Amino acid sequence: DQQVKQNSPSLSVQEGRISILNCDYTNSMFDYFLWYKKYPAEGPTFLISISSIKDKNEDGRFTVFLNKSAKHLSLHIVPSQPGDSAVYFCAARGTGGFKTIFGAGTRLFVKA
Amino acid sequence: DSGVTQTPKHLITATGQRVTLRCSPRSGDLSVYWYQQSLDQGLQFLIQYYNGEERAKGNILERFSAQQFPDLHSELNLSSLELGDSALYFCASSVSSSSYNEQFFGPGTRLTVL
Repeated sequence: DQQVKQNSPSLSVQEGRISILNCDYTNSMFDYFLWYKKYPAEGPTFLISISSIKDKNEDGRFTVFLNKSAKHLSLHIVPSQPGDSAVYFCAARGTGGFKTIFGAGTRLFVKA
Repeated sequence: DSGVTQTPKHLITATGQRVTLRCSPRSGDLSVYWYQQSLDQGLQFLIQYYNGEERAKGNILERFSAQQFPDLHSELNLSSLELGDSALYFCASSVSSSSYNEQFFGPGTRLTVL
């Protein structure tokens, strides 16, 4: 039972354009969401997070939007750069819990 | 460099065998987490230790076990290996046991079971 779903295995975007990565979740007990970025042969690195009490969090070129009623979050990267090419994982944590549930990841290709 | 080290980087072994994966957390971090990433899958949480004690358990098979030692390094033991155990195994660490602390991941150990 996949509680965190990233339905797009890959996404290709032109340099300078916006990249939008999507994530859906099923568990309404999740109250904290994170995005991790992973390059080949490296472990995931934390990118940005959002608490369920917010609907938007911004950090430089990265913005995460949360729509609790739709149980959906998205990561926007503007403008996209070739160095952003990586696998992006969406993750969620539940109230009072210690587990982090990860999605399957979306591979982003940013073309120069 | 996240500060989390994992050894070995690659491991090739046969079915039925037993292996040990090792993780050293970032300096000062008390929590260690283990994750498994199979082909085209997300990271599956296996187990968490905090300051030497098991704190949370995920989808960890009975053939797998882990421990965290007094120096805070951790080992993941995988026994009676099957072909399906071939995967990337990541270790992560965080300052406390809170689920809201950022986790720092190591580079992973790639296990191949032949």
